[in-house]
Amino acid sequence: DAGVIQSPRHEVTEMGQEVTLRCKPISGHDYLFWYRQTMMRGLELLIYFNNNVPIDDSGMPEDRFSAKMPNASFSTLKIQPSEPRDSAVYFCASNSNGQGWAEQFFGPGTRLTVL
Amino acid sequence: AQRVTQPEKLLSVFKGAPVELKCNYSYSGSPELFWYVQYSRQRLQLLLRHISRESIKGFTADLNKGETSFHLKKPFAQEEDSAMYYCALRGHTDKLIFGTGTRLQVFP
Repeated sequence: DAGVIQSPRHEVTEMGQEVTLRCKPISGHDYLFWYRQTMMRGLELLIYFNNNVPIDDSGMPEDRFSAKMPNASFSTLKIQPSEPRDSAVYFCASNSNGQGWAEQFFGPGTRLTVL
Repeated sequence: AQRVTQPEKLLSVFKGAPVELKCNYSYSGSPELFWYVQYSRQRLQLLLRHISRESIKGFTADLNKGETSFHLKKPFAQEEDSAMYYCALRGHTDKLIFGTGTRLQVFP
């Protein structure tokens, strides 16, 4: 298994543009998490899904951010319009709590730069 | 409220010196505590969990409920230990609450 897959790995865009980040979780995992990593705030949970249903989106900064999970093997995080303060590394992680413990498996991250 | 505090952004030591990365948490129930590590150019990965009471790569962490702490320790640091370390808490939901992380630098 290739693990959690994220694309693109790097994204540079201009303020006001729409950005879409993609994630493919590990097959069989029923939980998917989106995080944002910055120097100042560390690793922040944005939203997580269970069986494709959003469970907790309290970490989503504002209405400019949205996330979807149309099926068990794909999720997107969209920022529209993007702003320079959105520049960060965005991680996707997945796990299966059916295993009885909560290790999360992380993707390589998408480094977003908004100019 | 659930919260994880890592007071040090950067910890620098020389090879062979003892290391302690501090982690304090706030949670009213019985939490699960974890340490995750991110080596340069690698994915964030689980280092250890308090329920396993194991030593991984020479690191140990003991949950102290009285002090609400879960400090990560290693008696003799190695250069390959240089990385970003995150303490995380899982409460009554399925999500992890991470601290802001501590960068460990081990000099030769």
